[in-house]
Amino acid sequence: DTGVSQDPRHKITKRGQNVTFRCDPISEHNRLYWYRQTLGQGPEFLTYFQNEAQLEKSRLLSDRFSAERPKGSFSTLEIQRTEQGDSAMYLCASSLGDRGPNEKLFFGSGTQLSVL
Amino acid sequence: DAKTTQPNSMESNEEEPVHLPCNHSTISGTDYIHWYRQLPSQGPEYVIHGLTSNVNNRMASLAIAEDRKSSTLILHRATLRDAAVYYCILRDGTNFGNEKLTFGTGTRLTIIP
Repeated sequence: DTGVSQDPRHKITKRGQNVTFRCDPISEHNRLYWYRQTLGQGPEFLTYFQNEAQLEKSRLLSDRFSAERPKGSFSTLEIQRTEQGDSAMYLCASSLGDRGPNEKLFFGSGTQLSVL
Repeated sequence: DAKTTQPNSMESNEEEPVHLPCNHSTISGTDYIHWYRQLPSQGPEYVIHGLTSNVNNRMASLAIAEDRKSSTLILHRATLRDAAVYYCILRDGTNFGNEKLTFGTGTRLTIIP
């Protein structure tokens, strides 16, 4: 069990630059989720995929954010024209997708983004 | 999703039991109670969940009040590795197909050696 893998672990960028994060879920998991977490707060839901279909996007996901899961396996989260308010931990999670309320989410260790 | 209320922080001595409370007075009959924890510099990890009956697993026990308006996560013998933020989350059991979790701010548990 390799778990959910996220890359990079840390990213420092300048305001206005674009950044892309990658998430590799557990191999047999159909669902993939993106969350954002700021200091002292719990993770906030951004979006989730069922295989390659993006089924829900939070209002937090502005037009500068885009997520893809092209072949239903790994996913990328891109932030365009980064702002200092985008500084946060970006967490990816995956789950089987067939357990309903018994579904367990498995989280990666996150990508810490710092926008200078 | 129904809301949960947890203390911001708790302390416990190492090797003693820890009882982490969660109030969910507006819980509906179909809401499942899930607990996750987040160790420092890690993503959250699943701990336990239940609907009505008390539940036990290798990590912890979940005690659910008879009226389901509150629950308690029990760590039977806390170790330093249990220091984490613990989140109590309600999940709508009728909302199949939308299993995202809605996190609050949780309880920060400190273990005293």
